[in-house]
Amino acid sequence: DAGVIQSPRHEVTEMGQEVTLRCKPISGHNSLFWYRQTMMRGLELLIYFNNNVPIDDSGMPEDRFSAKMPNASFSTLKIQPSEPRDSAVYFCASSLTTAAGGEQYFGPGTRLTVT
Amino acid sequence: TQLLEQSPQFLSIQEGENLTVYCNSSSVFSSLQWYRQEPGEGPVLLVTVVTGGEVKKLKRLTFQFGDARKDSSLHITAAQPGDTGLYLCAGARRRGSTLGRLYFGRGTQLTVWP
Repeated sequence: DAGVIQSPRHEVTEMGQEVTLRCKPISGHNSLFWYRQTMMRGLELLIYFNNNVPIDDSGMPEDRFSAKMPNASFSTLKIQPSEPRDSAVYFCASSLTTAAGGEQYFGPGTRLTVT
Repeated sequence: TQLLEQSPQFLSIQEGENLTVYCNSSSVFSSLQWYRQEPGEGPVLLVTVVTGGEVKKLKRLTFQFGDARKDSSLHITAAQPGDTGLYLCAGARRRGSTLGRLYFGRGTQLTVWP
């Protein structure tokens, strides 16, 4: 079975450039999560969607970050303009959320380096 | 502010030793999950505990959910180098506005030396 797919796996860009990270969740899952992981701050939730609708974006650092989920099988996280402090590993996760909650399945991550 | 506090943050032990990792909170969770993350990969779910006082065993790993559903522990017996990784606990809260969201701890980095 295909798991959560993220692309690219690695991205190196210069400060000020636009970065777009992509995610394909597991088919049939109704929730999608974007996380950022750093040594200093651990795993931070940026935004999550339920049935393609953004539910909570309070973790998005600032207006430079935006996320979309145009359909159930695709989501993007965009950073414009990028800054060196955005360097981190970005994970996408999906789950089948029910009234009892849900178990999240993570993609392999995108390692972003902004110079 | 972390809802879930994990301890210790780092643990370095020899093969064959036993260890316990703790996950504590002042909040009540409807369920608690444990994940393991290896370098260059995303976290992978190990177990979910849902009932206060529940104990689950996964080979040499024993997971316990506190009676009040505010804390959990992971005990590894006779650790092996293959157990090396970042162990993350994550809690779910059964509220309509946050349904599906998990609150992650900072993790415990475990290194098991041969």
